[in-house]
Amino acid sequence: TQLLEQSPQFLSIQEGENLTVYCNSSSVFSSLQWYRQEPGEGPVLLVTVVTGGEVKKLKRLTFQFGDARKDSSLHITAAQPGDTGLYLCAGANNFNKFYFGSGTKLNVKP
Amino acid sequence: NAGVTQTPKFRILKIGQSMTLQCAQDMNHNYMYWYRQDPGMGLKLIYYSVGAGITDKGEVPNGYNVSRSTTEDFPLRLELAAPSQTSVYFCASSFRVHGGYGYTFGSGTRLTVV
Repeated sequence: TQLLEQSPQFLSIQEGENLTVYCNSSSVFSSLQWYRQEPGEGPVLLVTVVTGGEVKKLKRLTFQFGDARKDSSLHITAAQPGDTGLYLCAGANNFNKFYFGSGTKLNVKP
Repeated sequence: NAGVTQTPKFRILKIGQSMTLQCAQDMNHNYMYWYRQDPGMGLKLIYYSVGAGITDKGEVPNGYNVSRSTTEDFPLRLELAAPSQTSVYFCASSFRVHGGYGYTFGSGTRLTVV
């Protein structure tokens, strides 16, 4: 049983389109992170959110933590081929240990 | 700026063989972790350590052992390899990130048990 459910599992879009991926749980998290992973590499941290309702922007990426700290979303504006990868969310119910979702595999076609 | 270094990158084991996956970090992080990632799945925590001499089980510890004699090194031991342990293994260490802990991951060890 996955503690964190990500949707969609797969997403294939054209360059320039917008997209949103979701990370949902029935558990409350003290913090939540988003990572991007490319084939053959380890995940790379994009952002950490810790406050319910928090919104963070990283260039064309917007991250939101749900008010109840059970869910999060990642919105990408004007997607580019360089955004292609596996996006993972990870939630911590204490500060030392994170549980990962199964990921959203994004393919942005030129 | 090595970060987290894992060796080997690839390994093929026969059923019943043993091996140690090496992990070293040069960032003086106290916290270190071992995860496995199966195709189409997220990362599952095997073991973690909050400092030298302290280790604890994660979600899927069976079939594995760890030790943490120094801050820098956190090896993962497979004693009797089984096909179910075919996976990609990631080591990570963590630093404090604005009230939470962000991981730095190694590039992984791809293990196949035949």
